[in-house]
Amino acid sequence: NAGVTQTPKFQVLKTGQSMTLQCAQDMNHNSMYWYRQDPGMGLRLIYYSASEGTTDKGEVPNGYNVSRLNKREFSLRLESAAPSQTSVYFCASSPAGYGYTFGSGTRLTVV
Amino acid sequence: DQQVKQNSPSLSVQEGRISILNCDYTNSMFDYFLWYKKYPAEGPTFLISISSIKDKNEDGRFTVFLNKSAKHLSLHIVPSQPGDSAVYFCAASENSGYALNFGKGTSLLVTP
Repeated sequence: NAGVTQTPKFQVLKTGQSMTLQCAQDMNHNSMYWYRQDPGMGLRLIYYSASEGTTDKGEVPNGYNVSRLNKREFSLRLESAAPSQTSVYFCASSPAGYGYTFGSGTRLTVV
Repeated sequence: DQQVKQNSPSLSVQEGRISILNCDYTNSMFDYFLWYKKYPAEGPTFLISISSIKDKNEDGRFTVFLNKSAKHLSLHIVPSQPGDSAVYFCAASENSGYALNFGKGTSLLVTP
């Protein structure tokens, strides 16, 4: 019962470096999401994929790109990391909208 | 602009008593509302939800009330237990659950 798996769990980047956060789900869910959580800000949607082959911007997409590689996998890429992207990133999936299942998060620090 | 607001950052309740967590929203197009619970170093987990066609939904110790005219919902936990200590997020959606909008969360502490 893996559910939603995120890798890595922790990462430290230098400003300007790039990296990809990986997310995979084994529940055959159609929709997948990337959120970031910052102190005092709650969870904010970065990008989502309502179904395989589609992606849409959320509330805070600037500085990020996503790829829905297949039905299972949805990756988030930071092309040139900035200190403002220091956050905890959560991937989630759902069958069709309701009932998100979240991963355990990736804690990213950009120095 | 925050469309889902949880104005109480924290709440402390004694074990056995009722915990009431509040949430307000501004978007009248929201048609589905959810509560998530989050422990430290874990992802949020779904707790309970309610559709806009209902005004109450109950699941064991958890009840969610929706007042559409006031654009307000609340989560009642009765009786509260120490294991309920967590951050609770209110969320809402206007398009069948895609792109959930989350509040900032309320940290609940249940003391023995």
